[in-house]
Amino acid sequence: EVQLVESGGGLVQPGGSLRLSCAASGFTFSSYWMAWVRQAPGKGLEWVANIKQDGGEKYYVDSVKGRFTISRDNAKNSLYLQMNTLRAEDTALYYCARWVAQSLTVWGQGTLVTVSS
Amino acid sequence: QSALTQPRSVSGSPGQSVTISCTGTSSDVGGYNYVSWYQQHPGKAPKLMIYDVTKRPSGVPDRFSGSKSGNTASLTISGLQAEDEADYYCCSYAGSYTWVFGGGTKLTVL
Repeated sequence: EVQLVESGGGLVQPGGSLRLSCAASGFTFSSYWMAWVRQAPGKGLEWVANIKQDGGEKYYVDSVKGRFTISRDNAKNSLYLQMNTLRAEDTALYYCARWVAQSLTVWGQGTLVTVSS
Repeated sequence: QSALTQPRSVSGSPGQSVTISCTGTSSDVGGYNYVSWYQQHPGKAPKLMIYDVTKRPSGVPDRFSGSKSGNTASLTISGLQAEDEADYYCCSYAGSYTWVFGGGTKLTVL
């Protein structure tokens, strides 16, 4: 079964850091682009970042450039999102997703990040 | 990277058809045939329903169809069923390796 499981969310103070992880199983992880998408409480979806199969290309939404870093470890079938200088507006449920043909074909269940003092 | 515009809500009775619009600009929806649609039930992860404007992934009923005219994409659901009640989001490539979602539409099956 194709599966994505996120972890690493939690409560962090403004200005703090957090590292999210996504464990992939049931497919050849190294063959796919991967992405992070977030959803603020009661709000819509927002594409955050994505990364090429070999990690050689990475793209970000403007609001997180310079603060967030997407990375992957194909040997561990894992995707990561390092989040620094967190702001209240980064509070959201963060989804890991498999990216195919300009669309998100498989999604995890999400991990909640709350930025608050 | 402005969000695409969707109606906040639409509704229809079982068996009827509804259409959800997704309006962008020539820099996103109008400029590329890379519009996708996602269904999200409360408390659940989104599910891909349509990609590349008109294509349906395996397992998605053919009651769901997509189209595009100019800067507006549309998702049509025919033969509405109770389980179609959910939030729907469009997403488009916006150039320079960026992607933008719509604000979401709540579909109510009366």
